[in-house]
Amino acid sequence: DAKTTQPPSMDCAEGRAANLPCNHSTISGNEYVYWYRQIHSQGPQYIIHGLKNNETNEMASLIITEDRKSSTLILPHATLRDTAVYYCIVRGGFMNYGGATNKLIFGTGTLLAVQP
Amino acid sequence: DGGITQSPKYLFRKEGQNVTLSCEQNLNHDAMYWYRQDPGQGLRLIYYSQIVNDFQKGDIAEGYSVSREKKESFPLTVTSAQKNPTAFYLCASSTGYNEQFFGPGTRLTVL
Repeated sequence: DAKTTQPPSMDCAEGRAANLPCNHSTISGNEYVYWYRQIHSQGPQYIIHGLKNNETNEMASLIITEDRKSSTLILPHATLRDTAVYYCIVRGGFMNYGGATNKLIFGTGTLLAVQP
Repeated sequence: DGGITQSPKYLFRKEGQNVTLSCEQNLNHDAMYWYRQDPGQGLRLIYYSQIVNDFQKGDIAEGYSVSREKKESFPLTVTSAQKNPTAFYLCASSTGYNEQFFGPGTRLTVL
């Protein structure tokens, strides 16, 4: 799986958009970009994923650059409850019996602190 | 409500004792996973199971054991061979290649 690089921490004002960057310069053609977040002492929560097109759901938007070497997670109107560690993960796009490509390799993520 | 449950939430054990962490899911997911998280770190994969009666070692399987006798259950045993077992343990499940859903975690402390 490709390695990802994220800033260790970011601040965002409540009500403003939070833009979390992720670098994945070694990503290969069949690897997806996944985003999870983890609120303190809870299990991680899935947010969104994408391959090469931009994606949007009720939680966030994912913008992937054309060369796929980086992406940005956008929380359009951050609230205090969005304060969490956000993980950017790159994972293979196919599954074999051994299940190795279903592994999620977590880095240390970005601690997003939403300020009132 | 469908979801993943882990019990207990907090667990204390004496050094040298084996302890079993429970993970149950009613999402009808085929695959289940166990991760370990240390303070300030990301999650590391201990074991995973794609189907009943089959499981594979993850990146840090030494000192741990699992079983998968039922689709809904994937218990993790932390044995006395695990040198540093104090950590936050997370169980997850998924269907096929879809996103993984995580339980609330068990915090294990060795006294």
